Amino acid sequence: SQQGEEDPQALSIQEGENATMNCSYKTSINNLQWYRQNSGRGLVHLILIRSNEREKHSGRLRVTLDTSKKSSSLLITASRAADTASYFCATVRRNGQNFVFGPGTRLSVLP
Amino acid sequence: SAVISQKPSRDICQRGTSLTIQCQVDSQVTMMFWYRQQPGQSLTLIATANQGSEATYESGFVIDKFPISRPNLTFSTLTVSNMSPEDSSIYLCSVVGNGGLYNEQFFGPGTRLTVL
Repeated sequence: SQQGEEDPQALSIQEGENATMNCSYKTSINNLQWYRQNSGRGLVHLILIRSNEREKHSGRLRVTLDTSKKSSSLLITASRAADTASYFCATVRRNGQNFVFGPGTRLSVLP
Repeated sequence: SAVISQKPSRDICQRGTSLTIQCQVDSQVTMMFWYRQQPGQSLTLIATANQGSEATYESGFVIDKFPISRPNLTFSTLTVSNMSPEDSSIYLCSVVGNGGLYNEQFFGPGTRLTVL
């Protein structure tokens, strides 16, 4: 069954604005990862946050993890048209045997 | 990191035929995965392909429909057999580095399959 669930399913913003996407999951995890996919191409890994971490940054990306609420958020600051893509969260369970993707958020950044 | 290539990048096939997708990695990796992504949907894991053993299939996927080969640590194939229009999807292979699933996955560019 699906582990990660993202919301919103679709998000449209103006260039320069911030975009926030959320991911919820159901079971205990080892880590949670965010990926980007452009136009049905392969996925690109963005950031990995482990269950004992609360926040990570990478450039314009900020990811938070709240294990008590079983949720994570991805914040893209100062968005650009090139950020237009689908964003997926994926969770890895503690036993490392499952890697499950959420349904994804389609982000459109308008110039 | 790992660089992954897939062949073909896309294909249009007739119902009832089979297509074999190749996945080549630029380094030796233990764990390799095959995913399906139906139009507008997320990724669903088909199977895990480890060298030297039979592939492990997820619920809803069977070997007769999706036979997989893993002859060495840099190569794998996925065959979509007896295709129907419902098999129209993007098929992606991925690998993980040392440390297994506790680290990130690297994905190939995908194979876009259309079944008429």
